[in-house]
Amino acid sequence: GAGVSQTPSNKVTEKGKYVELRCDPISGHTALYWYRQSLGQGPEFLIYFQGTGAADDSGLPNDRFFAVRPEGSVSTLKIQRTERGDSAVYLCASSPDRGGYNEQFFGPGTRLTVL
Amino acid sequence: AQTVTQSQPEMSVQEAETVTLSCTYDTSESNYYLFWYKQPPSRQMILVIRQEAYKQQNATENRFSVNFQKAAKSFSLKISDSQLGDTAMYFCAFYGGATNKLIFGTGTLLAVQP
Repeated sequence: GAGVSQTPSNKVTEKGKYVELRCDPISGHTALYWYRQSLGQGPEFLIYFQGTGAADDSGLPNDRFFAVRPEGSVSTLKIQRTERGDSAVYLCASSPDRGGYNEQFFGPGTRLTVL
Repeated sequence: AQTVTQSQPEMSVQEAETVTLSCTYDTSESNYYLFWYKQPPSRQMILVIRQEAYKQQNATENRFSVNFQKAAKSFSLKISDSQLGDTAMYFCAFYGGATNKLIFGTGTLLAVQP
């Protein structure tokens, strides 16, 4: 079946603009995660959804970042007033449920470049 | 807080030979999971192997195996019969029940030479 998809694959924007990044998880997966991967680093956790609710948003760096998952499937990561430091690859992952015994399946990521 | 450390930024191995990638972690939890992920240039993270902390037996997946030393908090990955397609970034990751998220190391770039 289809894996996790993310759109767009690349996004270039100007400092101060608003961007939305979309994640389509594997059908039926209740857990959805967003990670941010800066150049030369491992992915860093941003937010975790269980169903429609954000169960843990402790990784969001500040209030410019917000994510939603209104129907428990597709999720959108929203970044307001983008800054150059927001440039990174944003990865989405989904799993059948929470718990380490459930594999997290990753999408190909969105590379965000803020000029 | 949990941390994951990969002390080898880059490694190189000849095709068909064996290579070991190192990973150490720190946690106060007793129940957790450890993972090795592969990230090729396509950016897609692919699960290579997983180890449950409560299992003493080291996990094995074909050419990939781990050496899990719980007391030493060490989790190394051994790749046997290395192939050109193994060239990628490899990330060690920790998942604890108290955190419900993957915590990644900084990665090791593995180059398999023909």
